[in-house]
Amino acid sequence: GENVEQHPSTLSVQEGDSAVIKCTYSDSASNYFPWYKQELGKRPQLIIDIRSNVGEKKDQRIAVTLNKTAKHFSLHITETQPEDSAVYFCAADRDDKIIFGKGTRLHILP
Amino acid sequence: SAVISQKPSRDICQRGTSLTIQCQVDSQVTMMFWYRQQPGQSLTLIATANQGSEATYESGFVIDKFPISRPNLTFSTLTVSNLSPEDSSIYLCSGGGTGQETQYFGPGTRLLVL
Repeated sequence: GENVEQHPSTLSVQEGDSAVIKCTYSDSASNYFPWYKQELGKRPQLIIDIRSNVGEKKDQRIAVTLNKTAKHFSLHITETQPEDSAVYFCAADRDDKIIFGKGTRLHILP
Repeated sequence: SAVISQKPSRDICQRGTSLTIQCQVDSQVTMMFWYRQQPGQSLTLIATANQGSEATYESGFVIDKFPISRPNLTFSTLTVSNLSPEDSSIYLCSGGGTGQETQYFGPGTRLLVL
């Protein structure tokens, strides 16, 4: 079955700097890769997703890249702001389900 | 997009009892799922709630412990049976299209078992 690995588990960046979170997946049949942001005590919220026919997707300060050959994808957040502090989960589809990575706790330092 | 609500938002239960969690979606969705999230941990898929048929459970989760109903395309329930302190967790439902479409999450139900 699908296995999604996510690194790092914790990331601290200075406000205004960029943050990068990386994920790998095991099932070559996976075609959909969403990223969720979860603030403390809140539900996970989709922030961006990418499908396997696309190598990169950008939405304002957030971008995701996908390398299907290497089976890895990454989340890039530029010009980080205090409200970016949260836990970020990558995920991959498997048999009409979504399998999540273990999450990255992002701290934005003032 | 879909808006998902859950009831109750939290509960404290005695061991040996059961808790039923309701999940309501504001529009018809193809897929509904139930997850468990321990504090500070990731989301673990419990099962897929299939409309009009038995749920499909992930490895390590069984129907006797986590019976699920899905009578229509907008509603599902998860029961956590024979509660023990190890069942203390946050339970979330999600709904959306197929696995390659956006899944929206409910706010979660925080369960504490004493």
